[in-house]
Amino acid sequence: EAQVTQNPRYLITVTGKKLTVTCSQNMNHEYMSWYRQDPGLGLRQIYYSMNVEVTDKGDVPEGYKVSRKEKRNFPLILESPSPNQTSLYFCASSPPLWREGHYEQYFGPGTRLTVT
Amino acid sequence: KNEVEQSPQNLTAQEGEFITINCSYSVGISALHWLQQHPGGGIVSLFMLSSGKKKHGRLIATINIQEKHSSLHITASHPRDSAVYICAVLYTDKLIFGTGTRLQVFP
Repeated sequence: EAQVTQNPRYLITVTGKKLTVTCSQNMNHEYMSWYRQDPGLGLRQIYYSMNVEVTDKGDVPEGYKVSRKEKRNFPLILESPSPNQTSLYFCASSPPLWREGHYEQYFGPGTRLTVT
Repeated sequence: KNEVEQSPQNLTAQEGEFITINCSYSVGISALHWLQQHPGGGIVSLFMLSSGKKKHGRLIATINIQEKHSSLHITASHPRDSAVYICAVLYTDKLIFGTGTRLQVFP
């Protein structure tokens, strides 16, 4: 089954304790991305990756790191989480977005992070 | 001012009604996405389009590049269509999202 998986689904942590949210896709997609969703602000892009070893900042990259060592995995790293990073996080993947056609983004189920 | 504006923010309808959700944007884009977010939080991509019109079942999406406007129509709405509908534009290689339209369809 084609899917994007995220782990963990729920996480409560304390300020400053490094954490990693994993994202994996089994569709051989080149493009992967991380978003956060906050009430009243909607979805905002954190980082994206066009392919292995190629990553770029989205609109809200501060406080986050990513890596793309393998095509299927795109982990999101919070080196020193703070309460303002409490949010719902989504990972997504797709073939390169600039191709016209029926391509779409496949979203993971979301990770609800609380930083106290 | 947001680069992507959706209207209305909230919408209620009776089952069977024709629904229209609008999306206007202010930047030059290469494509536009319509997404559906279920009450449980999961997000599904409905359409990606860069011109014209696309149809999938009871859903129709249109885009007018010159006017920087897109619409999502739902024909014969059903309570299972209740969700948040999100417009997102592809600007360079980034997606910029609207804040969504919450639709509730009552039997």
